[in-house]
Amino acid sequence: EADIYQTPRYLVIGTGKKITLECSQTMGHDKMYWYQQDPGMELHLIHYSYGVNSTEKGDLSSESTVSRIRTEHFPLTLESARPSHTSQYLCASSRRQGYTDTQYFGPGTRLTVL
Amino acid sequence: EDQVTQSPEALRLQEGESSSLNCSYTVSGLRGLFWYRQDPGKGPEFLFTLYSAGEEKEKERLKATLTKKESFLHITAPKPEDSATYLCAVQAWNNNAGNMLTFGGGTRLMVKP
Repeated sequence: EADIYQTPRYLVIGTGKKITLECSQTMGHDKMYWYQQDPGMELHLIHYSYGVNSTEKGDLSSESTVSRIRTEHFPLTLESARPSHTSQYLCASSRRQGYTDTQYFGPGTRLTVL
Repeated sequence: EDQVTQSPEALRLQEGESSSLNCSYTVSGLRGLFWYRQDPGKGPEFLFTLYSAGEEKEKERLKATLTKKESFLHITAPKPEDSATYLCAVQAWNNNAGNMLTFGGGTRLMVKP
């Protein structure tokens, strides 16, 4: 059972607001990830982190930023939300197990920007 | 570039009607193939990892198999609670970018009582 948490679960906010989506895990995993998923569509990686003070951009271009100051915490920030940011945001974490890193996902944050 | 294609996009079954979901992949050196289950509005739930052709794994009514080009998720005598979207993803050996997964579009399974 994965212990990874995301808050808020749902967020409706107006254009131009600054928002931070929280993600925490209690498994001691070194790697963490943020994905974006539109309804019925594929998951796309937008950010990832190898460990503390390490962050990289993923395949999908995103106007969001991330930070990794503590191993267990990987927040995502949008400085100025726009309707195009409306989507589901999924956080995941992983640790090497044998040949691979198995990623475990949080419940997601459904963001709606009006 | 790694690619994953899942078929069918949607599958309707009667309770007890066994079937299979397909995941075709192209990757330059397969490190692992993953199956996840995703319920509406929730994050994906890990099911299986397969590493090499010929490998099989089972969990309750689900069995995953792997060949050099594709993976199948066999569902035996499904129940309505098996209704979900099933996602396939691959991880490549030449992936230098944080062990990224490449996901397919998923198969939405609906099991009617």
